[in-house]
Amino acid sequence: NAGVTQTPKFQVLKTGQSMTLQCAQDMNHNSMYWYRQDPGMGLRLIYYSASEGTTDKGEVPNGYNVSRLNKREFSLRLESAAPSQTSVYFCASSEARSGGRTSTDTQYFGPGTRLTVL
Amino acid sequence: KQEVTQIPAALSVPEGENLVLNCSFTDSAIYNLQWFRQDPGKGLTSLLLIQSSQREQTSGRLNASLDKSSGRSTLYIAASQPGDSATYLCAAINQAGTALIFGKGTTLSVSS
Repeated sequence: NAGVTQTPKFQVLKTGQSMTLQCAQDMNHNSMYWYRQDPGMGLRLIYYSASEGTTDKGEVPNGYNVSRLNKREFSLRLESAAPSQTSVYFCASSEARSGGRTSTDTQYFGPGTRLTVL
Repeated sequence: KQEVTQIPAALSVPEGENLVLNCSFTDSAIYNLQWFRQDPGKGLTSLLLIQSSQREQTSGRLNASLDKSSGRSTLYIAASQPGDSATYLCAAINQAGTALIFGKGTTLSVSS
């Protein structure tokens, strides 16, 4: 049981390049999330998926797209990377189908992807 | 809009001390409040989840309390150890939201 896995662990891009961050969970969770963590800003939600086949914007969605490929996988795509997207990206999952709106829903996080955009 | 604040931003204590980390939130209509630990360069590990109907949760040397009326939560760490050194984050889900709103964390350093 690996929990939440993310690939790659590190990535350096040039401005304008595109890439996809991959996330998978093996806990049969319904909800999945993408956050970014920046110094002085804390963690902020980019997108989430409350169930397979649905995705919704979070606090900072501009410049990103997501795909809930199946129940296990939730990918984050940067179509044209910008230096402002330099950050650490975390994927998370939780059991609840409602995207976190239950009192017992714990979120489990992956190890993160460190992205630098030059 | 839910805002979560953690004080202090950093804390240094000698081994063996009991300590309290503080978290405050602006919207008391929360489903739950969670405390996480983050080690440098690592992901987040869930420590405790307090449901909105509960007042506290305990796990080993950790005790988290929740006072919705005042918009506060505390994480109490008993008999601190150097291995407790990490950043501690609190996060709340409010009933109008869909995911966690995080504080900026308290970085704890426990010296031996």
